[in-house]
Amino acid sequence: QVQLVESGGGVVQPGRSLRLSCAASGFTFSAYGMHWVRQAPGKGLEWVAVMWYDGSIRYYADSVQGRFTISRDNSDNTLYLQMNSLRAEDTALYYCARDSTIAAGPLDYWGQGTLVTVSS
Amino acid sequence: DIQMTQSPSTLSASVGDRVTITCRASQSISNWLAWYQQKPGKAPKFLIYKASILESGVPSRFSGSGSGTEFTLTISSLQPDDFATYYCQQYKTYPYTFGQGTKLEIK
Repeated sequence: QVQLVESGGGVVQPGRSLRLSCAASGFTFSAYGMHWVRQAPGKGLEWVAVMWYDGSIRYYADSVQGRFTISRDNSDNTLYLQMNSLRAEDTALYYCARDSTIAAGPLDYWGQGTLVTVSS
Repeated sequence: DIQMTQSPSTLSASVGDRVTITCRASQSISNWLAWYQQKPGKAPKFLIYKASILESGVPSRFSGSGSGTEFTLTISSLQPDDFATYYCQQYKTYPYTFGQGTKLEIK
């Protein structure tokens, strides 16, 4: 069965960096687009970034453009999110989610999330 | 960016009720719309895609409709397991955007 397991969250000071990982299993990772979606405490869902199945294309939300970088290792079935220049407003539960297609469809499987807290 | 607006924000209903949630897009998205259900402390669950197609395993009491800019999610007869927050999401273009959510509460 499809499994997505996020890791790498924690408490970090404003301006610092953090790298999230998402380990995928139960499907052909290299055939699907992958996303990061976040949810601030008590708030709704915010789409963050996507990477095409082959790594050829990435898109970002305006709120993270230039600070966050999405990447993937198809040989290791892992998705990453490098987060630099973190701000208090980046505090959220970060979900990794699979696109139902190469990266142009809805998100059909989600991990359980990893919590990032940006605080001094 | 395409804005997605859900109404109502909160909906109180009883088991057995028929309920409808509306989602409006700020511009036409054809039928590139998905619905998700989220329970407290859990990840979102994928329910519906292309506005009206139920994902495998989703109970038939759920249905979706609409195209263009106006969409609805209907639950025909509420069950205790259905009390949750529901989100719509457009996937016509990037950045993907979600509605703000509709919390379905027990009356």
